[in-house]
Amino acid sequence: GAVVSQHPSWVICKSGTSVKIECRSLDFQATTMFWYRQFPKQSLMLMATSNEGSKATYEQGVEKDKFLINHASLTLSTLTVTSAHPEDSSFYICSVQGLAKNIQYFGAGTRLSVL
Amino acid sequence: GEDVEQSLFLSVREGDSSVINCTYTDSSSTYLYWYKQEPGAGLQLLTYIFSNMDMKQDQRLTVLLNKKDKHLSLRIADTQTGDSAIYFCAETQNQGGKLIFGQGTELSVKP
Repeated sequence: GAVVSQHPSWVICKSGTSVKIECRSLDFQATTMFWYRQFPKQSLMLMATSNEGSKATYEQGVEKDKFLINHASLTLSTLTVTSAHPEDSSFYICSVQGLAKNIQYFGAGTRLSVL
Repeated sequence: GEDVEQSLFLSVREGDSSVINCTYTDSSSTYLYWYKQEPGAGLQLLTYIFSNMDMKQDQRLTVLLNKKDKHLSLRIADTQTGDSAIYFCAETQNQGGKLIFGQGTELSVKP
């Protein structure tokens, strides 16, 4: 399977600042990556689908200006939480669509705490 | 819309078998998955099954699919303490499509 690296693993920031989270596909070129959000003891909710070289497709209810996604290369997608507020505190997980398109490989996740 | 349901908790003794159940509503699901999540970590794909299959076995893991009842189960034989984690059931309608996850079942294995 694919090896997916997510960085940072944990970030604490002040309210109003922006935070960038990186998702890297280490061993193959990924055309499609996904960004999920997970609240404590809850399931994963898809935020957006990130396609290399084009604009991300956001799920209903996800603010595209709040959660900026950039997929500028086949190995890197970034999620920037702009003007973060305490309610944005969550666990953010990225995944990479494998060569077998029905399989997604997940990063280890980023815990964001906004004070 | 699509919905995936799981029971929230399961507790078993080491060495016993664990059975984690999942129901889904989308009759056009094509792939169904089981993922494992350890505390503070991402998701590890355990196994998946195509909708035209009834069963899939991989070492200690057995997946059963009842498409008529829209019921999926994961059986872990000889459960070990290292199997303690949250197990997520997920489905997708098509290749490359988004995954719909259940709430996760927390498996606790007692020595």
